Amino acid sequence: EIVLTQSPGTLSLSPGERASLSCRASQSVSSSYLAWYQQKPGQAPRLLIYGASSRATGIPDRFSGSGSGTDFTLTISRLEPEDFAVYYCQQYGSSPLTFGGGTKVEIK
Amino acid sequence: EVQLVESGGGLVQPGGSLRLSCAASGFTVSTNYMSWVRQAPGKGLEWVSVINSDSTTYYTDSVKGRFTISRDNSKNTLYLQMNSLRAEDTAVYYCARAPYSYGPYYFDHWGQGTLVTVSS
Repeated sequence: EIVLTQSPGTLSLSPGERASLSCRASQSVSSSYLAWYQQKPGQAPRLLIYGASSRATGIPDRFSGSGSGTDFTLTISRLEPEDFAVYYCQQYGSSPLTFGGGTKVEIK
Repeated sequence: EVQLVESGGGLVQPGGSLRLSCAASGFTVSTNYMSWVRQAPGKGLEWVSVINSDSTTYYTDSVKGRFTISRDNSKNTLYLQMNSLRAEDTAVYYCARAPYSYGPYYFDHWGQGTLVTVSS
């Protein structure tokens, strides 16, 4: 099973700042089959990015994904108040599907 | 508009059973991969099970032999039958849809979740 390690565990930033979230895989993720989700308290996860870099429908362009192989990054170019949440990566290139442990982006 | 609405969660004793339902609208459950994903209190996401368009099913190791995923095409509903429940099965269970009926999949729509608590 592919283990995904997300870092940092918590990111403390101010609105308007840039956020860079890391997702590192224990082995190569085939064909960049990596997705990112946002989850706010009491809500279901929301798809942001699939295929490592493709934005899901309705996702603002301040969200971008990059990376390949074992190292992936989610970047939020300028944090808006509604972006403070927990972010999860998920690989879907190997069975079983696995998720990272999450990065919490909190207001500094 | 795609909507997924889970129900059936609740408090159950260890060793007990529960059946979760996920009523879908805006698409047909038989044409997409459909999964259950759970989240223990204060923890991350864990994939539990999937059923694909030809009704093939897969499970995470910790629930094999105890959980069964199924669907009723006439009701456009996904189910998760959970037997021999353990304390470590306590979680919010989400129903999630993959955008495809083939190949590697991620989840583009999620239900609001239903809480399962296993405790005596």
